[in-house]
Amino acid sequence: DAGVIQSPRHEVTEMGQEVTLRCKPISGHDYLFWYRQTMMRGLELLIYFNNNVPIDDSGMPEDRFSAKMPNASFSTLKIQPSEPRDSAVYFCASSLGVQTYNEQFFGPGTRLTVL
Amino acid sequence: AQRVTQPEKLLSVFKGAPVELKCNYSYSGSPELFWYVQYSRQRLQLLLRHISRESIKGFTADLNKGETSFHLKKPFAQEEDSAMYYCALIRGNTPLVFGKGTRLSVIA
Repeated sequence: DAGVIQSPRHEVTEMGQEVTLRCKPISGHDYLFWYRQTMMRGLELLIYFNNNVPIDDSGMPEDRFSAKMPNASFSTLKIQPSEPRDSAVYFCASSLGVQTYNEQFFGPGTRLTVL
Repeated sequence: AQRVTQPEKLLSVFKGAPVELKCNYSYSGSPELFWYVQYSRQRLQLLLRHISRESIKGFTADLNKGETSFHLKKPFAQEEDSAMYYCALIRGNTPLVFGKGTRLSVIA
């Protein structure tokens, strides 16, 4: 199993452009999480899904951010328009549940640079 | 709201020296606590969880409810322990809440 797959691994774009990050969770996992990692704020939960349904998006910074999960094997995080302060590493993770015994498995991350 | 605090952004120790990565939490109930680790060029992964009371790669962590702490300890640091360490908390059925992380650098 390749684990959680994210693409692209690196993205460099200019301010104002649309950015789409992609994630394929581990097969059979019911939960999918999107995180943002920065030096200043550490690892922040942006949004998570259960069975393809968004459960909590309170961590999404503003309306420029949106996330979808059209099916159990694919999710996207979109930023439109992008701004330099969005530069960060974005992680996707999946798990069988959110209880203690359900380990979260992380993807390799997408390093986003907005110029 | 529950919060996880890791007071040190960077911790440097010499090889063979003891290591303690601090983690404090604020939550009035009975949380479940974890340590996740990210080695260079590897994915973030679970290191240990307090309910397992396990020692992984020589690391242990004890939940101290009186001090609301879950410090990660290892008696003798190794170079391969250099990584980013995140303390995290689960309350009930809500997802993990992570601290800001501590970068451990073990100097040869």
